[in-house]
Amino acid sequence: AQKVTQAQTEISVVEKEDVTLDCVYETRDTTYYLFWYKQPPSGELVFLIRRNSFDEQNEISGRYSWNFQKSTSSFNFTITASQVVDSAVYFCALSVQAAGNKLTFGGGTRVLVKP
Amino acid sequence: SAVISQKPSRDICQRGTSLTIQCQVDSQVTMMFWYRQQPGQSLTLIATANQGSEATYESGFVIDKFPISRPNLTFSTLTVSNMSPEDSSIYLCSVAVSANTGELFFGEGSRLTVL
Repeated sequence: AQKVTQAQTEISVVEKEDVTLDCVYETRDTTYYLFWYKQPPSGELVFLIRRNSFDEQNEISGRYSWNFQKSTSSFNFTITASQVVDSAVYFCALSVQAAGNKLTFGGGTRVLVKP
Repeated sequence: SAVISQKPSRDICQRGTSLTIQCQVDSQVTMMFWYRQQPGQSLTLIATANQGSEATYESGFVIDKFPISRPNLTFSTLTVSNMSPEDSSIYLCSVAVSANTGELFFGEGSRLTVL
């Protein structure tokens, strides 16, 4: 069975501060994908990134960066120089190819960026 | 990518009634999933909608309560039957364009409130 843990339920920062969201996953499968989604107050899920289990390279996209470490089963997400528009709930998720790509979500981390 | 349209986007329903949510995709997809997000919670997979056969339900979800249809590769419906206030949630349709890439796309969700 798969499991995703986001230990931080809520983080509050002041604009321009950096914020790091933790994600720890569990799976016995060797082929899997990790995701981050953003859910703003409007409710839709916005895809941010997908990483497969064979690619441990860190990635940077604008103010967003991701740190994937298989040794610690973690896939952490950092927002640099946060903005008010970053306020949302962020979900980390895992899918394994053997299970038909069904997503297992973490509990989500609510980020509040204050002006 | 895939563009997913869900209807209705929101609805207010009376206890004991049933509501059918539609999910239309702009291209043929291999897999379709239905998720539920209860207020303030993460997303939970209800079932995998299988084209031409019965849906595959996750633990805790049954066909009598959540009947699902998938008549073709671009369309699926989820019915929430005999609703109670506990069914108040966002219901999201998700699709996988390819079984091998792990790419998953979400509709905008259907926000149901049961009175």
